[in-house]
Amino acid sequence: RKEVEQDPGPFNVPEGATVAFNCTYSNSASQSFFWYRQDCRKEPKLLMSVYSSGNEDGRFTAQLNRASQYISLLIRDSKLSDSATYLCVVSETGGGNKLTFGTGTQLKVEL
Amino acid sequence: GAVVSQHPSRVICKSGTSVKIECRSLDFQATTMFWYRQFPKQSLMLMATSNEGSKATYEQGVEKDKFLINHASLTLSTLTVTSAHPEDSSFYICSAFRNTEAFFGQGTRLTVV
Repeated sequence: RKEVEQDPGPFNVPEGATVAFNCTYSNSASQSFFWYRQDCRKEPKLLMSVYSSGNEDGRFTAQLNRASQYISLLIRDSKLSDSATYLCVVSETGGGNKLTFGTGTQLKVEL
Repeated sequence: GAVVSQHPSRVICKSGTSVKIECRSLDFQATTMFWYRQFPKQSLMLMATSNEGSKATYEQGVEKDKFLINHASLTLSTLTVTSAHPEDSSFYICSAFRNTEAFFGQGTRLTVV
């Protein structure tokens, strides 16, 4: 079983749509959670950290359920520029330790 | 601007040769840097943790004699792929933490022919 699992997609959605991505992790010792965005052939870039109480950054909302070991990302009002691969990332301890990446979920936003 | 700089961005080499990839932290010191490898349609997989002034820590299944890591200063780590083979062709990315956020180099696409 993979440590971090994601639906690879692709998710093809029209501009303006709301789309949700899910992620599960197997290591119950995981302490820090993130969503990264990776454009084709580029390095990953931090989209947002995920906190236990859930958090929102503009059109993006992240949720964490520690009991179910489940993380989600909701994107509202999708833009063409949101097209990318979204990586679910967990770490056993806070900053400075190694990150474990999911395979990513590909999103394609279309006109 | 970039926080972590990786060079080269792309390299093509012949089988049996060695390739060196550099990773620099630009405006901060990094006692630890991480080297990842990503094959097409797969996740980033940690290869090794580079420690300034000491030996690197390799993940299970990664040959330390094939992937040589040197972290000679607080701003530079290098990964050398020795005796490269076509199956080593991949996207190699380094990262370092500045405060609590991980920043990644631009990646190096290695093609071994």
